[in-house]
Amino acid sequence: DGGITQSPKYLFRKEGQNVTLSCEQNLNHDAMYWYRQDPGQGLRLIYYSQIVNDFQKGDIAEGYSVSREKKESFPLTVTSAQKNPTAFYLCASSIGGQRVEKLFFGSGTQLSVL
Amino acid sequence: GDSVTQMEGPVTLSEEAFLTINCTYTATGYPSLFWYVQYPGEGLQLLLKATKADDKGSNKGFEATYRKETTSFHLEKGSVQVSDSAVYFCALRLPYGQNFVFGPGTRLSVLP
Repeated sequence: DGGITQSPKYLFRKEGQNVTLSCEQNLNHDAMYWYRQDPGQGLRLIYYSQIVNDFQKGDIAEGYSVSREKKESFPLTVTSAQKNPTAFYLCASSIGGQRVEKLFFGSGTQLSVL
Repeated sequence: GDSVTQMEGPVTLSEEAFLTINCTYTATGYPSLFWYVQYPGEGLQLLLKATKADDKGSNKGFEATYRKETTSFHLEKGSVQVSDSAVYFCALRLPYGQNFVFGPGTRLSVLP
């Protein structure tokens, strides 16, 4: 079955530590996205990528980094510079170009600070 | 900037009650409008969409009509079930962009 796989489901970060969230899709989608979800605030865009080896900052990119070396993979690193990383992180994908009609979401990763 | 506003929750209803969740938007241009649903511990799923004024999106008994004159896209269902308990997000996408703008979400609880 085609879909988006995020791992791990739960992740804990210590002070000063970088952690990486995995996102893999087998939908052959060109575009991939990372969103952060906080209670009562909806989804905020962290980074997005429309094509391999290219990505753009979203609304809240500070303290995060990404790479897009393969079409199917878009890992997100939460760096120690992100002072409030506790949140639910959602990865999504879509077909590219102007024909985007919907986003396909993974099941999310809950990141907490120890 | 572009934004989506939703009615604050939580909304608590009895089974078979009528549901309305209000959504209004601010956007430059003519966006496509969406409702997504999130069940506990999961990602979001597309519930329905409308791409132009007066379009009605519908799915699983839910409906929403794109009202350009009131910049609204209210979600309705005639008879809710316990299984409809979830968080509902209204969203827009501008016609020449790939980015979606989401509202804050409205939590719905349906009691048996």
